[in-house]
Amino acid sequence: DIQVTQSPTSLSASVGDRVTITCRASQSISNYLNWYQQRPGKAPKLLISAASVLHSGVPSRFSGSGYGTDFTLTISSLQPEDFATYYCQQSYITPPWTFGQGTKVDIK
Amino acid sequence: QLQLKESGPGLVKPSETLSLTCTVSGGSITNSNNFWGWIRQPPGKGLEWIGSISDSGDTFHNPSLKSRITISVDTSTNQFSLRLNSVTAADTAMYYCALDSGDIVLDGFHYYMDVWGTGTTVTVSS
Repeated sequence: DIQVTQSPTSLSASVGDRVTITCRASQSISNYLNWYQQRPGKAPKLLISAASVLHSGVPSRFSGSGYGTDFTLTISSLQPEDFATYYCQQSYITPPWTFGQGTKVDIK
Repeated sequence: QLQLKESGPGLVKPSETLSLTCTVSGGSITNSNNFWGWIRQPPGKGLEWIGSISDSGDTFHNPSLKSRITISVDTSTNQFSLRLNSVTAADTAMYYCALDSGDIVLDGFHYYMDVWGTGTTVTVSS
């Protein structure tokens, strides 16, 4: 099975900061990688599919990149509503799917 | 727009079977490109994919849970269900159902979970 490893597990940042979260797959998964945001007490929300395609309604300060085994989620200018936990998820061809361990972004 | 809602007992005794249903509203569960999935999250921990089913009944399971899981779909009621047997305290979690949409994105056919239920808490305790 394909494993995905996120880093860091947590980070502290200030409003306006540029934030980068990485996700590494245990084998090449082309661009079959999704990113989700989960605010406390809420269900996850899709941010990005196919490694770089912004989901409808997601602010343009979010961006994704990467191919193969290494992927990045970037928030260009952190906003108060962006303090949340972020998960990557591999969706390589057919299930089983796996999520990364999550990265909690909190206020410095 | 499409909405999903989980339902089922909030408390299950150890060794018994956890049964949850996800009701789909605002659209049909019948779409050959989609999967319908279950995901769980133990308290204070990350997301764990449990399994998925297509409208035709093809199922996929998390290998670590495979022997205990049954996922089924009822297109007549627009619902899909999860059964997890022989539960222990480790199965205590928030359980979510989600639409795993299949679509052509860029140069390939991709799946992504773009509609989620609000989740239901299940506690395993005697």
